[in-house]
Amino acid sequence: DARVTQTPRHKVTEMGQEVTMRCQPILGHNTVFWYRQTMMQGLELLAYFRNRAPLDDSGMPKDRFSAEMPDATLATLKIQPSEPRDSAVYFCASGLVSGQPQHFGDGTRLSIL
Amino acid sequence: GDSVTQMEGPVTLSEEAFLTINCTYTATGYPSLFWYVQYPGEGLQLLLKATKADDKGSNKGFEATYRKETTSFHLEKGSVQVSDSAVYFCALTPNTGFQKLVFGTGTRLLVSP
Repeated sequence: DARVTQTPRHKVTEMGQEVTMRCQPILGHNTVFWYRQTMMQGLELLAYFRNRAPLDDSGMPKDRFSAEMPDATLATLKIQPSEPRDSAVYFCASGLVSGQPQHFGDGTRLSIL
Repeated sequence: GDSVTQMEGPVTLSEEAFLTINCTYTATGYPSLFWYVQYPGEGLQLLLKATKADDKGSNKGFEATYRKETTSFHLEKGSVQVSDSAVYFCALTPNTGFQKLVFGTGTRLLVSP
């Protein structure tokens, strides 16, 4: 089965450090989503791309977060500088057309000390 | 805007009991409806889907029927197993354009032997 691959699976770092999370979407999928999951807020959509172009990043704190798709096989989410409140599980998902399901990666569990 | 409402959890059942997790939605037009499941430490997996009114999605003994008249998509299983313990998310996406997946808050299911 095709899968969305996320790296790293776990990341622990100190406040102020840059964090980069990577996602390899399923080959052929043209839409990529970044979500954040916390106990308090549940699942939040941070940003999404279609055909590598950002469609909506209104869920993302612009001052410290950035999302890019340098090519069709790689999406990145960066936090600089990181803060303890960024601690969460970050999921990437990819999809093909509207009305069809998104496929999720296993997530990056991020802890900012 | 579009929204999904799920019953509060946790839902605690004994093995072989009947399961219902309620889900209702608010949306314009005719959205597609999904149930995702999240096992501990993993990403969300698509459990089942329905794309039009009266469709029944089914998988692994779980079923849900798209009821437009009651705007509902309740998840059911006739006999739960301990291995079904997980968090279940109801979600929708519009069938036109390409917009984000709208999730409910999730319902935790705990099944005891």
